[in-house]
Amino acid sequence: GAVVSQHPSWVICKSGTSVKIECRSLDFQATTMFWYRQFPKQSLMLMATSNEGSKATYEQGVEKDKFLINHASLTLSTLTVTSAHPEDSSFYICSASPRGDTEAFFGQGTRLTVV
Amino acid sequence: DAKTTQPTSMDCAEGRAANLPCNHSTISGNEYVYWYRQIHSQGPQYIIHGLKNNETNEMASLIITEDRKSSTLILPHATLRDTAVYYCIVRGRRYGNKLVFGAGTILRVKS
Repeated sequence: GAVVSQHPSWVICKSGTSVKIECRSLDFQATTMFWYRQFPKQSLMLMATSNEGSKATYEQGVEKDKFLINHASLTLSTLTVTSAHPEDSSFYICSASPRGDTEAFFGQGTRLTVV
Repeated sequence: DAKTTQPTSMDCAEGRAANLPCNHSTISGNEYVYWYRQIHSQGPQYIIHGLKNNETNEMASLIITEDRKSSTLILPHATLRDTAVYYCIVRGRRYGNKLVFGAGTILRVKS
């Protein structure tokens, strides 16, 4: 299957700082990528849809000013957690589809710990 | 949200077939059933998807009932490495083609 890569795999940051997570589709182009968050022992929660060349669309309850999404090319989307706080500590996962209505492939996830 | 109902957990003996059920009674005609699994601390892995016909690939088989209100994922010879959370998801334009995850089924394969 197609490969989606996230970087970094894990990151520890201080409270109040910002952290950027990258999501790349390595062998296909993706006009749409999705960002999820997963807390321990819970399911994945969809945060936002990242659209290449346009603004991201956020799910209800997700702060767009806190979770900045940029999808500058057909192979790269970034999620920036701004002014991170300990409650933002979570497992962040992205996904992308070669075409909108086929299977989506997921990155390996990024574990963020805010201290 | 696209609603699916799955058992919370299941056990399966190593080497035996694992049959994971999913109910999706509100599915519409142009919506697909997708199955993913997630092994601890990893991103979800695509398994299989289908519309109305049964599907088979190298990982699993997907059996969809004629009325499409339920489906079963079959892992023909479960191994210890198949221990994971399995998610059944209905996907379609009604939901913006998004994959919305429910709680899934924890499958424990035991030796």
